[in-house]
Amino acid sequence: AQTVTQSQPEMSVQEAETVTLSCTYDTSESDYYLFWYKQPPSRQMILVIRQEAYKQQNATENRFSVNFQKAAKSFSLKISDSQLGDAAMYFCAYRSYLTGTASKLTFGTGTRLQVML
Amino acid sequence: DVKVTQSSRYLVKRTGEKVFLECVQDMDHENMFWYRQDPGLGLRLIYFSYDVKMKEKGDIPEGYSVSREKKERFSLILESASTNQTSMYLCASSLRRGRPVEQPQHFGDGTRLSIL
Repeated sequence: AQTVTQSQPEMSVQEAETVTLSCTYDTSESDYYLFWYKQPPSRQMILVIRQEAYKQQNATENRFSVNFQKAAKSFSLKISDSQLGDAAMYFCAYRSYLTGTASKLTFGTGTRLQVML
Repeated sequence: DVKVTQSSRYLVKRTGEKVFLECVQDMDHENMFWYRQDPGLGLRLIYFSYDVKMKEKGDIPEGYSVSREKKERFSLILESASTNQTSMYLCASSLRRGRPVEQPQHFGDGTRLSIL
């Protein structure tokens, strides 16, 4: 079974600064997908960024980028130019390449990000 | 735009009651999921359905059942509510076909359920 570990329960960053949230995972599969979701106080889970394991290039979405290290099974999220609206709970998630039951997402325990003025 | 709607934002029930949590999506998605979210534990999958009347157990199905009679609606049922089922419940849906990375799960706003 796959597991996802987020070792930082809480992080803080100054507005306009850069912060990196870490995520490691354990799997025996070679093909899979990785996601970062954001959950603000409004509770709506929002997809931030996604990565296909077979792609070596790191995904980027505006101020959000990932550092995907397949051999190390690491998938960290970098937020540049942090804004007050980035304050939220961030979840790292793993999805198998397979379909059926395996299409579920396996989530980490989350990192709460505070953005300071 | 994608829309997953959960019937209640907050719900308070008593121990032993039968509780229904409803989820509706308007995107013609085949897959629907019920997760439970607890502090320090992240989201854990309770049940999921990949088609009408089809269901599969997730990681923590004990004490729960589900119903999918129509494609757009997925219900989570607590047969006899207990205090340890006090939690946030999140529904999600996704397309079954296509490349998974292009078809991520879309979530509802969650139902915060308290069992007294």
